[in-house]
Amino acid sequence: AQTVTQSQPEMSVQEAETVTLSCTYDTSESNYYLFWYKQPPSRQMILVIRQEAYKQQNATENRFSVNFQKAAKSFSLKISDSQLGDTAMYFCAFMKHGGDMRFGAGTRLTVKP
Amino acid sequence: NAGVTQTPKFRILKIGQSMTLQCAQDMNHNYMYWYRQDPGMGLKLIYYSVGAGITDKGEVPNGYNVSRSTTEDFPLRLELAAPSQTSVYFCASSYLRTGGYEKLFFGSGTQLSVL
Repeated sequence: AQTVTQSQPEMSVQEAETVTLSCTYDTSESNYYLFWYKQPPSRQMILVIRQEAYKQQNATENRFSVNFQKAAKSFSLKISDSQLGDTAMYFCAFMKHGGDMRFGAGTRLTVKP
Repeated sequence: NAGVTQTPKFRILKIGQSMTLQCAQDMNHNYMYWYRQDPGMGLKLIYYSVGAGITDKGEVPNGYNVSRSTTEDFPLRLELAAPSQTSVYFCASSYLRTGGYEKLFFGSGTQLSVL
């Protein structure tokens, strides 16, 4: 079974600075997808960024980028120019081709003014 | 556009009672999921479905049942409610297209308390 590990339960960053959230996963699959989701206090789940495992290029979405290390099974999220609205729980997720999507335990990020 | 609709939003059950959480999506998605989220924790996959008539267990299926008779609906059944099933339940759907996988669309969640 696939497992997703987020080793940082909580993190904080000053507004406008950069922060990196860690995620590792364990799988024997070769075809899979990786995601970062954000969950603000509203409880809504918001997709931040996604990466297909067959793509070597790291995904970027505006201030959000990933460092995908396939051999190391690592998928970290970098948030640049942090904003107060980035305060939320962040979940790393893994999906094998075929539908079984698993989430990590989450990292609570606080952006301080 | 409705997206993923979950009902009810809140429910209190007594130990041993049964109930069905409803989930419907209007996006013609083939994949549907049920997750539970305990306080301060991540989402745990209960069951998922890759199409009508096809369901499979996730990480924590015990105490739950599902069915997928149509593409649109994916109800989750609790047969004998236990306090350990107190949680927030999320339904989600997605579409696996040629060449890639689309994001999950989540419902707004059901807060369930078993007392």
